[in-house]
Amino acid sequence: EAEVAQSPRYKITEKSQAVAFWCDPISGHATLYWYRQILGQGPELLVQFQDESVVDDSQLPKDRFSAERLKGVDSTLKIQPAELGDSAMYLCASRRYIGTVGETEAFFGQGTRLTVV
Amino acid sequence: GNSVTQMEGPVTLSEEAFLTINCTYTATGYPSLFWYVQYPGEGLQLLLKATKADDKGSNKGFEATYRKETTSFHLEKGSVQVSDSAVYFCALSDGQLTFGSGTQLTVLP
Repeated sequence: EAEVAQSPRYKITEKSQAVAFWCDPISGHATLYWYRQILGQGPELLVQFQDESVVDDSQLPKDRFSAERLKGVDSTLKIQPAELGDSAMYLCASRRYIGTVGETEAFFGQGTRLTVV
Repeated sequence: GNSVTQMEGPVTLSEEAFLTINCTYTATGYPSLFWYVQYPGEGLQLLLKATKADDKGSNKGFEATYRKETTSFHLEKGSVQVSDSAVYFCALSDGQLTFGSGTQLTVLP
């Protein structure tokens, strides 16, 4: 069964360092999301891609976060410099189809647990 | 903007008890509605979905009905098991996927 792949599973980094996360969506899924989930809360959207284009990055802290999906397949989320408050689970999700009728579900990877010390 | 409101947890039940987790939403248009489940340290897994009004999603004994008139999508299960212990998230989608804050369910043997 196809899965969304994320790496690394766990990352510990020092404050002010750079950190990057990678996501490989399910083949054929045009839509890709990055979410941040703080412990005990629901996922919050950081950025949404349709193929290689950013559809929504209104909640992405652009002074320190960046995301790219250059060939419309896999994606990288970067934080530079990391701050203590960035400690969270970073989830990647993909979905095959979105539209006005009968949207398909999103499939999630296992996430990257980031700890900033 | 869109939003999802879930009943506050945590919820603790005995095995074989009846479960209801309330979910209401605010959205323009006609979103699709989902319930996801998250086990400790894992990503989210789809539990069930409904794409239009009056649709009933069901899976693994869980059910939820898309009620447009009350803007609700409450999750129910007639007899919970210890293995159902997890965090449950209600979500809506109209292109962007928006989640509620989650409800922690613990089922005791």
